[in-house]
Amino acid sequence: EIVLTQSPATLSLSPGERATLSCRASQSVSSYLAWYQQKPGQAPRLLIYGASNRATGIPARFSGSGSGTDFTLSISSLEPEDFAVYYCQQRNNWPITFGQGTRLEIK
Amino acid sequence: EVQLVESGGGLVQPGGSLRLSCAASGFTFSNDWMAWVRQAPGKGLEWVADINQDGSDKKYVDSVKGRFTISRDNAEDSLFLQMNSLGAEDTAVYYCAREFFRGWGMWGQGTMVTVSS
Repeated sequence: EIVLTQSPATLSLSPGERATLSCRASQSVSSYLAWYQQKPGQAPRLLIYGASNRATGIPARFSGSGSGTDFTLSISSLEPEDFAVYYCQQRNNWPITFGQGTRLEIK
Repeated sequence: EVQLVESGGGLVQPGGSLRLSCAASGFTFSNDWMAWVRQAPGKGLEWVADINQDGSDKKYVDSVKGRFTISRDNAEDSLFLQMNSLGAEDTAVYYCAREFFRGWGMWGQGTMVTVSS
């Protein structure tokens, strides 16, 4: 099973600042890495697929990078609605696995 | 409207069974892999099961193998999850999700399953 480790567990930033979230895989997942945003009481929302492709309707301030084992989700300038929990997910090997999440909170 | 709507959740005793349903609308259901993903209260996301377009290929997380069965009815645009031998560890919100380039681009609102005596 591929283990995805997200860091940091919690990130405290202010609106307008840049956020950088990390996801590290225990073995290569090629580019089959997705990122999701989840707000309380809501289903997850796909942000990034294929490591670096923005999903439909996702603002340009969200970007993804990386391949193999190291991946990054960046949010260039935080908006108030961006404070949420973010998960990475791999689908290179079965079982499909998620990281444990990074909580992005307002400082 | 393009949407997924889950139903069938509820309170069940340990060892019991439950069948979840997911009604799809607004897209060609038979074209896509579909999945169930769950989230225990206050916890992260866990993939449960996947099924391919015609139902001939099914995958499960180890913790549910032999207890859960994923299926679909393309004529009815519906996805199902039959859950047997339920335990407290299965308590979660269960989401159905539509695959999009090896991610899940569409999710339902979720249905809560509580396993308790």
